[in-house]
Amino acid sequence: AQRVTQPEKLLSVFKGAPVELKCNYSYSGSPELFWYVQYSRQRLQLLLRHISRESIKGFTADLNKGETSFHLKKPFAQEEDSAMYYCALAHSGTYKYIFGTGTRLKVLA
Amino acid sequence: KAGVTQTPRYLIKTRGQQVTLSCSPISGHRSVSWYQQTPGQGLQFLFEYFSETQRNKGNFPGRFSGRQFSNSRSEMNVSTLELGDSALYLCASSWDRDTEAFFGQGTRLTVV
Repeated sequence: AQRVTQPEKLLSVFKGAPVELKCNYSYSGSPELFWYVQYSRQRLQLLLRHISRESIKGFTADLNKGETSFHLKKPFAQEEDSAMYYCALAHSGTYKYIFGTGTRLKVLA
Repeated sequence: KAGVTQTPRYLIKTRGQQVTLSCSPISGHRSVSWYQQTPGQGLQFLFEYFSETQRNKGNFPGRFSGRQFSNSRSEMNVSTLELGDSALYLCASSWDRDTEAFFGQGTRLTVV
């Protein structure tokens, strides 16, 4: 079955600490992986996608096909990073996203 | 430019009724997708439309339907509402495949 798993519902870290939001997937084929973020009272927005291999707001994510993971990382968390983060995969070339259940990141001062 | 607009923002309906939700994509975007978000099931894909044609469909009963107009605006309809249909319904638009999808703020539907 095609599935995205985010094992942590809530992750609390102190400002300046490293952050890693875990995402594992199961998919037969070549998926496209994404991270979406939702800040308080804002709409869901794309943070990054694996095919672009870029760093956004200091966040990076590497697709590990062997471990079927797409963990989101940031070396030094900022308070403004506090938000809900969703990992998603899509059938290549479509917008049929399969979302994980999300991880709420709280960055403490 | 204006973002994805969903109307209405909030809606209360009675079991058995039907409801129509509207989504106006970003100007120039041709693809519109719909998602249902609930605390128990999270975000689930409903369907995607492109140039007035349904291109992909999720695993929802036939009570959930949608359409897209020539100006790319999209509507989704839910007939014979059930309590379990209470959810936040999100719409996303994009220009085409492999381009970023932009989400609306959603319509919160409550079925009583």
